[in-house]
Amino acid sequence: GEDVEQSLFLSVREGDSSVINCTYTDSSSTYLYWYKQEPGAGLQLLTYIFSNMDMKQDQRLTVLLNKKDKHLSLRIADTQTGDSAIYFCAESFLNAGKSTFGDGTTLTVKP
Amino acid sequence: EPEVTQTPSHQVTQMGQEVILRCVPISNHLYFYWYRQILGQKVEFLVSFYNNEISEKSEIFDDQFSVERPDGSNFTLKIRSTKLEDSAMYFCASSETGMNTEAFFGQGTRLTVV
Repeated sequence: GEDVEQSLFLSVREGDSSVINCTYTDSSSTYLYWYKQEPGAGLQLLTYIFSNMDMKQDQRLTVLLNKKDKHLSLRIADTQTGDSAIYFCAESFLNAGKSTFGDGTTLTVKP
Repeated sequence: EPEVTQTPSHQVTQMGQEVILRCVPISNHLYFYWYRQILGQKVEFLVSFYNNEISEKSEIFDDQFSVERPDGSNFTLKIRSTKLEDSAMYFCASSETGMNTEAFFGQGTRLTVV
């Protein structure tokens, strides 16, 4: 079945860039997502990219997709303490409601 | 901004009891979903629901689970005879269509089975 893998932890200093990486196995994935989960809160969709795109930029967020290697990354520029959260990579085929999630990467931003 | 709401935020139940987790999807959405996240594990798809019936379900969604849209606004997940391993965060989500770029998630219900 489909699988999505992420590194579990990332720690950066405030103001630095953060790069969270994800690999997936399903070559038929159509959409790839990044969600943010703050403590006690639900899953907030940050951004998504279609599988026919290589890059998407949205303010401080840059998503890079290497479809050949099935590798997705999320770069957060000028990381702030408020960015501390768990970030989930997810993929789906056509239907965002039926997604396969990664384990989540806990991002810690130190002042 | 419209949002998916879930109640309660935390539910504690005794093993063997039935629980009903409630969700109010976004009003013009037609597709509804439940996910589960066991502490420290992945968010896992349980079931999708459209037009008053289950459209897809995972292996996790066995006979102890059921879903219902009892009225025009609520979407519920019932777990019969809860087990300790049912302890998890349960997320409801909804989307406008079944082929959609975005699904909106609720804040989750933490279920603790003791």
